[in-house]
Amino acid sequence: DVKVTQSSRYLVKRTGEKVFLECVQDMDHENMFWYRQDPGLGLRLIYFSYDVKMKEKGDIPEGYSVSREKKERFSLILESASTNQTSMYLCASSSRDRSYSPLHFGNGTRLTVT
Amino acid sequence: AQSVSQHNHHVILSEAASLELGCNYSYGGTVNLFWYVQYPGQHLQLLLKYFSGDPLVKGIKGFEAEFIKSKFSFNLRKPSVQWSDTAEYFCAVNAYGNNRLAFGKGNQVVVIP
Repeated sequence: DVKVTQSSRYLVKRTGEKVFLECVQDMDHENMFWYRQDPGLGLRLIYFSYDVKMKEKGDIPEGYSVSREKKERFSLILESASTNQTSMYLCASSSRDRSYSPLHFGNGTRLTVT
Repeated sequence: AQSVSQHNHHVILSEAASLELGCNYSYGGTVNLFWYVQYPGQHLQLLLKYFSGDPLVKGIKGFEAEFIKSKFSFNLRKPSVQWSDTAEYFCAVNAYGNNRLAFGKGNQVVVIP
């Protein structure tokens, strides 16, 4: 069974701090994604990666960056956290073999920026 | 880019009632369609998907969805809901050959025992 593990379930950070959210998957998936989930707004794609060291901007990349140095790990970085980045962050992975391959999600990291 | 519309964000119904959640997408080409579910306190998981063949797709826990290409729709149905179906439901779409998935805003469904 595919496992996507996000390093923290809850995080509280101060405005201006640099924040790292880590995600690891164990199924050798090529694709990895970072979404944020907000009530009434659904899931919005921040960044995704389809291979090591490759990344593409999603719909709301402003204020975020990502790193993918190893296939199994995809990190989301908030360079200078702001209160409007308080949200639930979801990591997901999928196989690149078929575009209908489903996404496998982690449990999420609830980030609060004060 | 694809976009997905889900209507009636909050749905409250009693056990044994029928459920139908609407999903419309905007994209003129071939698409893959998905419904995901998030039970309280759990991670998002796949409920069902359509990529080709029979437009009526059956998923887990008695759910089904019908792809109607002419209406750009992929509505989710369950004839008789249970309290355990209380969850948030998300419709998602990607263009065929493209792994980037767009999600709707979700439907919060509450089933009253």
